[in-house]
Amino acid sequence: EAQVTQNPRYLITVTGKKLTVTCSQNMNHEYMSWYRQDPGLGLRQIYYSMNVEVTDKGDVPEGYKVSRKEKRNFPLILESPSPNQTSLYFCASSLDRVGIYEQYFGPGTRLTVT
Amino acid sequence: GQSLEQPSEVTAVEGAIVQINCTYQTSGFYGLSWYQQHDGGAPTFLSYNALDGLEETGRFSSFLSRSDSYGYLLLQELQMKDSASYFCAVRDLVGDTDKLIFGTGTRLQVFP
Repeated sequence: EAQVTQNPRYLITVTGKKLTVTCSQNMNHEYMSWYRQDPGLGLRQIYYSMNVEVTDKGDVPEGYKVSRKEKRNFPLILESPSPNQTSLYFCASSLDRVGIYEQYFGPGTRLTVT
Repeated sequence: GQSLEQPSEVTAVEGAIVQINCTYQTSGFYGLSWYQQHDGGAPTFLSYNALDGLEETGRFSSFLSRSDSYGYLLLQELQMKDSASYFCAVRDLVGDTDKLIFGTGTRLQVFP
């Protein structure tokens, strides 16, 4: 089954404790993104990657890191999480940058930072 | 700057027709997409307009006017399962950056 998977689905952590949210897709997609969703603010792009070893900042990259060492994986790293990073996070992929308009989303990761 | 505006909430009854508008302001417009998100779920792609005009996909249609920086999603023969949030999104292609910018979403409530 073609899908985007994220782990963990739910995470409660404390301020400053480094964490990684994994994202993997099995569709051989080139373009991958991370978004955060907050009430009233819609989906805001954190980082994106147009291909392996190519990453770029989205609209809200502060406090986050990403890497793209393999085509299928695009982990999101919070080196020192803070309470304002409490949010619902979605990973997404599209065939390539030309097909960016049709993104396939993972199930989401609900993160709480206390 | 980049901005997309859409109504925060729309209500309608089963069987009715509803239109969700989206106006946008971006530096490098390259197409308008629509996504649906049910409560607790992930966004799913509905439609895409690269050129002016109407695109129809079953009960859903999407329209784009690039000269007016405006588009809409039209939902016909509404069903209870259409109750969800709907997001417009624009591809913002400027130089080497290539991003999908989402609106804040419109919550549609369908009543019996």
